[in-house]
Amino acid sequence: QKEVEQNSGPLSVPEGAIASLNCTYSDRGSQSFFWYRQYSGKSPELIMFIYSNGDKEDGRFTAQLNKASQYVSLLIRDSQPSDSATYLCAVNGGGSNYKLTFGKGTLLTVNP
Amino acid sequence: NAGVMQNPRHLVRRRGQEARLRCSPMKGHSHVYWYRQLPEEGLKFMVYLQKENIIDESGMPKERFSAEFPKEGPSILRIQQVVRGDSAAYFCASSPISLETQYFGPGTRLLVL
Repeated sequence: QKEVEQNSGPLSVPEGAIASLNCTYSDRGSQSFFWYRQYSGKSPELIMFIYSNGDKEDGRFTAQLNKASQYVSLLIRDSQPSDSATYLCAVNGGGSNYKLTFGKGTLLTVNP
Repeated sequence: NAGVMQNPRHLVRRRGQEARLRCSPMKGHSHVYWYRQLPEEGLKFMVYLQKENIIDESGMPKERFSAEFPKEGPSILRIQQVVRGDSAAYFCASSPISLETQYFGPGTRLLVL
């Protein structure tokens, strides 16, 4: 059974701080890793994807992947109140490349 | 630049009725995926389809649920004889090919009374 684990939170940070969201996965064959943001009552919105070990930066967001430790994280710099949402970690690859396995998400609250 | 479209956005059914959920993928995308999000649960994969083919339905409940993606028209997720436990948000996603990033539609929120 492939699993993706995330701290449910809530994670609370002040405006302007760095928010750090973490995710671990069980399937060593996983190849692609995604972070989605989901506002309450809305659909998941893709923020970033990462395939290779190391860091990938896009604006205020940095994804970090460590396949040896089966760990992926998302850093949000200069957090804004509009970043308050649930962040979903998703993984695919291994036996079925198309099937995304999601964590339950981490609720982030950015306080003004 | 239309994204993934789903309708209806909200659907109310009584126990025993049928629910039909529709999904039109993004332009240029031929791969469709359905996920279900139960209250307080994560998104769970249900089925993966290409035009006229079901590729993987391993996440679908064995009874009452079916999906199709005809040559013409949207993909349909059909739930027969709905029960209260079917109340959830049903999301459709699409991608241009199977290994590409999946983009989600707005979802259909099904409430079974």
